[in-house]
Amino acid sequence: GAGVSQSPSNKVTEKGKDVELRCDPISGHTALYWYRQRLGQGLEFLIYFQGNSAPDKSGLPSDRFSAERTGESVSTLTIQRTQQEDSAVYLCASSLGPFGQGGIDGYTFGSGTRLTVV
Amino acid sequence: AQKITQTQPGMFVQEKEAVTLDCTYDTSDPSYGLFWYKQPSSGEMIFLIYQGSYDQQNATEGRYSLNFQKARKSANLVISASQLGDSAMYFCAMGYGGATNKLIFGTGTLLAVQP
Repeated sequence: GAGVSQSPSNKVTEKGKDVELRCDPISGHTALYWYRQRLGQGLEFLIYFQGNSAPDKSGLPSDRFSAERTGESVSTLTIQRTQQEDSAVYLCASSLGPFGQGGIDGYTFGSGTRLTVV
Repeated sequence: AQKITQTQPGMFVQEKEAVTLDCTYDTSDPSYGLFWYKQPSSGEMIFLIYQGSYDQQNATEGRYSLNFQKARKSANLVISASQLGDSAMYFCAMGYGGATNKLIFGTGTLLAVQP
């Protein structure tokens, strides 16, 4: 597609339920990232994919968070047993590749999924 | 550790005037990149400008320019001829290569352009 697509755009879930957030990167972008933005704050890095591998998962806040990527394309971020502190906007971004390999070009964000845990 | 600091939580500017948004960074990596993003109330992150650590000249993109002072580790964004549509949150971010490819973001500056 023309841009990074995320779905759903909004999700309200009950505490304790599992949620899946989806990201469709720009076609041909080998690098994919997930970030979290709490209300009124900056973006926090969660995880980075290069192809289908995740060389950096250091930002995942707990073992309730996991992510996968298949076909060097779509990625899913799963949050198990959601808690109220998980409420945030989850942003996905993609780029052509790692920095130093044209990765600066096209580092593009999606519009995010606003997750509300009640 | 890598860190981005934006010390201005909010800024006001009159329409058609220039404004500078401050950003300082901390890294021991010699190779890095500095980004500015705009986030309007709609929530999307809009890329504005990029400066590489080895770039000799300050980056410019239309009304946006980046005042890169490497020795002081600052990367201030200058917006010339402010427009009402420039009202938004502005984030400075740093990226670096190696095994990790993430961007580290500052806390942002909320810019309000007044008519």
